Amino acid sequence: SQQGEEDPQALSIQEGENATMNCSYKTSINNLQWYRQNSGRGLVHLILIRSNEREKHSGRLRVTLDTSKKSSSLLITASRAADTASYFCATVDTGGFKTIFGAGTRLFVKA
Amino acid sequence: NAGVTQTPKFQVLKTGQSMTLQCAQDMNHEYMSWYRQDPGMGLRLIHYSVGAGITDQGEVPNGYNVSRSTTEDFPLRLLSAAPSQTSVYFCASSSSGRTYEQYFGPGTRLTVT
Repeated sequence: SQQGEEDPQALSIQEGENATMNCSYKTSINNLQWYRQNSGRGLVHLILIRSNEREKHSGRLRVTLDTSKKSSSLLITASRAADTASYFCATVDTGGFKTIFGAGTRLFVKA
Repeated sequence: NAGVTQTPKFQVLKTGQSMTLQCAQDMNHEYMSWYRQDPGMGLRLIHYSVGAGITDQGEVPNGYNVSRSTTEDFPLRLLSAAPSQTSVYFCASSSSGRTYEQYFGPGTRLTVT
């Protein structure tokens, strides 16, 4: 079963626009992470937000977490063509040992 | 510092054959894990290890075995390959004892005919 469900499944925007991806999950978590995967490559960690945090920033990335709604969002500001990739949310269980990934959002940024 | 390495990059097996996917990391990470990724899906956890000699099952462990004799290596064994195991396999490691910020290898693309 997949804990995280992402929305939208695919997103196409122009360079310079903002991209927002959403993730919903089902059970209590220790933390939530976002990863990027370029086509055919391994995943790269972007940002982690703990269950007691509500918002976190890293460069052009902004992540929010609403544990009452069991949801998170990833905002990429001023998108670039190089941001074209698949983005996955991943939840870590309260035990801290198991990570469950969502199906991902495919982002295409047009130059 | 090579990070997480995986071999082979590609593999074709016949149904019923066995093989071992290799994973190694040179970052002295305690936590290591194996995932499989099927088309259009996220990663699913197969097995994980929190240190040498300690392994546990993930979400989809059936048909796979692991062992962790050293901190650096975490091989994944397919006991009797089935077409349903056709997938891309990723190994990952984490610097903390728990799954914070995992570093992923480049993946092994496995086809079972």
